[in-house]
Amino acid sequence: NAGVTQTPKFQVLKTGQSMTLQCAQDMNHEYMSWYRQDPGMGLRLIHYSVGAGITDQGEVPNGYNVSRSTTEDFPLRLLSAAPSQTSVYFCASSYGRLGNTIYFGEGSWLTVV
Amino acid sequence: QQQVKQSPQSLIVQKGGISIINCAYENTAFDYFPWYQQFPGKGPALLIAIRPDVSEKKEGRFTISFNKSAKQFSLHIMDSQPGDSATYFCAAKDDKIIFGKGTRLHILP
Repeated sequence: NAGVTQTPKFQVLKTGQSMTLQCAQDMNHEYMSWYRQDPGMGLRLIHYSVGAGITDQGEVPNGYNVSRSTTEDFPLRLLSAAPSQTSVYFCASSYGRLGNTIYFGEGSWLTVV
Repeated sequence: QQQVKQSPQSLIVQKGGISIINCAYENTAFDYFPWYQQFPGKGPALLIAIRPDVSEKKEGRFTISFNKSAKQFSLHIMDSQPGDSATYFCAAKDDKIIFGKGTRLHILP
């Protein structure tokens, strides 16, 4: 049982490049979300999904796209990376819309130069 | 606007002392209030959580106190140990989970 798996662990991008952060969970969780963590800012919600085919914006959605074609996967896309998107990204999941315990992946360290 | 306000930003406590971290919220639709613990290089992990119909919840050395009328809740760590040194996040949930900015706790040996 792998839990929440994020790839890649580390990535360096040039400004303007695009990339996708992958997230997969094997717990059959309906709720999945992406957060970014910056020093002094805590964890800020980027996008979330309450089930396959359903996504919604969080606190800081600009510059990011998501899709949820399957229950297991919730990729985060950066279409044109900017230095302000340098951060640590965490994917998380929980069971059901009212699911309580949220499980986090190990994080993806992204640097945009 | 910050939906969940957490304080202090950092905290230093002597071994054996009590660590107290406070959070406040505005949205009365929040119905679940968890605390997460994060060690360097790792993702946050659930520590303890409470629902608004309960005023206190205790699990081992960790206690949440909840004041619904004041819209405040706090984490108390009794007999704090060096292994408790980590970043702690409070959070609140309606149909999504919003986190506070975190508190870096350091327990002096």
